[in-house]
Amino acid sequence: DIQMTQSPSTLSASVGDRVTITCRASQHVSNWLAWYQLKPGKAPKLLIYKASTLQRGVPSRFSGSGFGTEFTLTISSLQPDDFATYYCQQYDTYSKAFGQGTKVEIK
Amino acid sequence: QTQLVESGGGVVQPGRSLSLSCAASGFTFLSYGMHWVRQAPGKGLEWVAFISYDGGKEYYAESVKGRFTISRDNSKNTLYLQMNRLRSEDTGLYYCAKSSGFDSSAYYIDFWGQGTLVTVSS
Repeated sequence: DIQMTQSPSTLSASVGDRVTITCRASQHVSNWLAWYQLKPGKAPKLLIYKASTLQRGVPSRFSGSGFGTEFTLTISSLQPDDFATYYCQQYDTYSKAFGQGTKVEIK
Repeated sequence: QTQLVESGGGVVQPGRSLSLSCAASGFTFLSYGMHWVRQAPGKGLEWVAFISYDGGKEYYAESVKGRFTISRDNSKNTLYLQMNRLRSEDTGLYYCAKSSGFDSSAYYIDFWGQGTLVTVSS
């Protein structure tokens, strides 16, 4: 099975900061990679699919890049609403492994 | 608009069974594959199971294979998860999630419900 590894596990940042989260796949997954945002008590939200395509309605400060085994999620200017936990997920195979998550905290 | 509403969670003893449901609305349910994903307390997301648009294909995580069964009733726009021989490590918030396409590979999850809590404890 494909394993997904995210780094860092926790990230402390301030409003206005540029933030980057990395996701690595144990095998090549092409660009079949999605990013989700989780907040307590709310349904998870799709941010990006196909590694770099922004989901409709997601602010343009979110962007994704990568191909194969290395991917990044970037928030260009962190906003108060962005403090949350972020997960990557590969969907190249039927077993849709998630990364372990990156919690973005207020510095 | 798209809505997924899970139900059926609760407290259950180890070794017993529980059935979850997910009522879907706002989209053509019979055209899309569906997933169950869970999150144990303090842990990350874990994909649990997938069923194709017509119920013809089912896939499971190794951790639940042989104990859990995913199914759907397209006439009722409802997804199910039958959980048997439950263990303490099955405790968590169970999300129903919609696939972006009819099958599994190359289709991502594009919408999630808010989840239903399952607690396995004696």
